[in-house]
Amino acid sequence: DIQMTQSPSSLSASVGDRVTITCRASQSISSYLNWYQQKPGKAPKLLIYAASSLQSGVPSRFSGSGSGTDFTLTISSLQPEDFATYYCQQSYSTPVTFGQGTRLEIK
Amino acid sequence: QVQLQESGPGLVKPSETLSLTCTVSGGSISSYYWSWIRQPPGKGLEWIGYIYYSGSTNYNPSLKSRVTISVDTSKNQFSLKLSSVTAADTAVYYCARVDREAATNWFDPWGQGTLVTVSS
Repeated sequence: DIQMTQSPSSLSASVGDRVTITCRASQSISSYLNWYQQKPGKAPKLLIYAASSLQSGVPSRFSGSGSGTDFTLTISSLQPEDFATYYCQQSYSTPVTFGQGTRLEIK
Repeated sequence: QVQLQESGPGLVKPSETLSLTCTVSGGSISSYYWSWIRQPPGKGLEWIGYIYYSGSTNYNPSLKSRVTISVDTSKNQFSLKLSSVTAADTAVYYCARVDREAATNWFDPWGQGTLVTVSS
C-alpha cells in the first residue's frame, strides 16, 4: 500500500495568514493526488484534483502543487470558513489511501 | 446536480452483517465508478472499495474477505455489505462518486454520511 504522510498534523493560524500543508507519498504517484476539506459533522469536500487542478466553485485562494512524492496545499489568505481538517488522497493505485489529516485551527 | 444519500441501520450487533444503500439522484449511475469510504469517530478516512455501474468491483485488501459492493442500475443505487462486524467497524460510512479525467480520479460528490455503531 502507498502510505500518505501529512505535515503538520495540526496547525494554528490567523485570518489572513498564508498556510501550507505538505503531503508525502511513500513512493512516486506522479500527479495522482487530491485534496479534501472536512468540517465537523460534514462529508469531505474536494478542493484540488490531479495535484494542482482547482475544483469548480472552490475559491482561488486554494492552490496545490507537486508531483512524484511531495505535494503541497496552500491557502493564500485564510478566511474564517477555512478552519477545518484537510486530507490528501492518492489515486495512483489501489488500495486508495488518505493522509492522516491536518487540523487547521484558529490562533 | 448529482446528490448521494446513504441509508441503512444505525446499529448493528457484533458478528452480524452491516448493510447500507446509497441512492443517487440528479443523474444516472451509468458510466461511473462509485465508492464506499468510512471514518471511525475522531479518526481518518479509509477507502472500502469501488464498483463500476456494470458491476465490476475493486476492494481494499484489508476488508476484502468481508466486503461485498453491488449495484442496481434500475433503482440508481449501489450497496455495501460488511460481514462479521466488530466494534472496530463503528464509523461514519460515506458513499461517493468517482470522477475521472484521463488516468486520474477523485471522489466527488460525497453523500452526507451515516453513522453505524456496532454494539450488542
